[in-house]
Amino acid sequence: EIVLTQSPGTLSLSPGERATLSCRASQSVSSSYLVWYQQKPGQAPRLLIYGAFTRATGIPDRFSGSGSGTDFTLTISRLEPEDFAVYHCQQYEHYGNSGYIFGQGTKLEIK
Amino acid sequence: QVQVVQSGAEVKKPGASVKVSCKASGYIFSDYYIHWVRQAPGQGLEWMGIIRPSGGNTQYSQKFQGRVTMTRDTSTSTVYMELSSLTSEDTAIYFCAREARETYYFDYWGQGTLVTVSS
Repeated sequence: EIVLTQSPGTLSLSPGERATLSCRASQSVSSSYLVWYQQKPGQAPRLLIYGAFTRATGIPDRFSGSGSGTDFTLTISRLEPEDFAVYHCQQYEHYGNSGYIFGQGTKLEIK
Repeated sequence: QVQVVQSGAEVKKPGASVKVSCKASGYIFSDYYIHWVRQAPGQGLEWMGIIRPSGGNTQYSQKFQGRVTMTRDTSTSTVYMELSSLTSEDTAIYFCAREARETYYFDYWGQGTLVTVSS
């Protein structure tokens, strides 16, 4: 079973700074199935990036995804106040029985 | 516009069952899959299973196999998730989420339903 490990657990930055969030898989996975979501307190997750690189509809271009194999990254180029939230990565295990797997999340907080 | 609206909060006793609904509108119901994902307090997201509304077939996470049942009513574009033999560890927010066929990500989410299990 694939395990997704996100780091850091908490990231403290200021508006205007660059954020780099990591999602590491326990074995090589297809970038086609790597997804990022943003979740604000009291809200449902929102789709940000799918297929490791493709921004969802309406997502600003300051959000970008990259990576392959076991290491994937979500980058926010210049943080806006509304970007402070929890970010989850997700993978679909195509050949196993685990289905859809989530990382434990990274909390991006204002410094 | 696409909307996915869930039923309200529930409080249940240990050993009971809970049934949460998820009503879809603004798109062709049978063209999209519906998943259930839960989030325990202060924790990450956990996938529970999927139902394909067109045929009603389901796939459940092994963790919930035998305890979860997902059904759908095509006449009202509503999906249901029933979880039985509840314990305090089932206290969580339960989300339904839509997947366009074979895309493997969730593009619209319900607002979430808090289920509290307490004696």
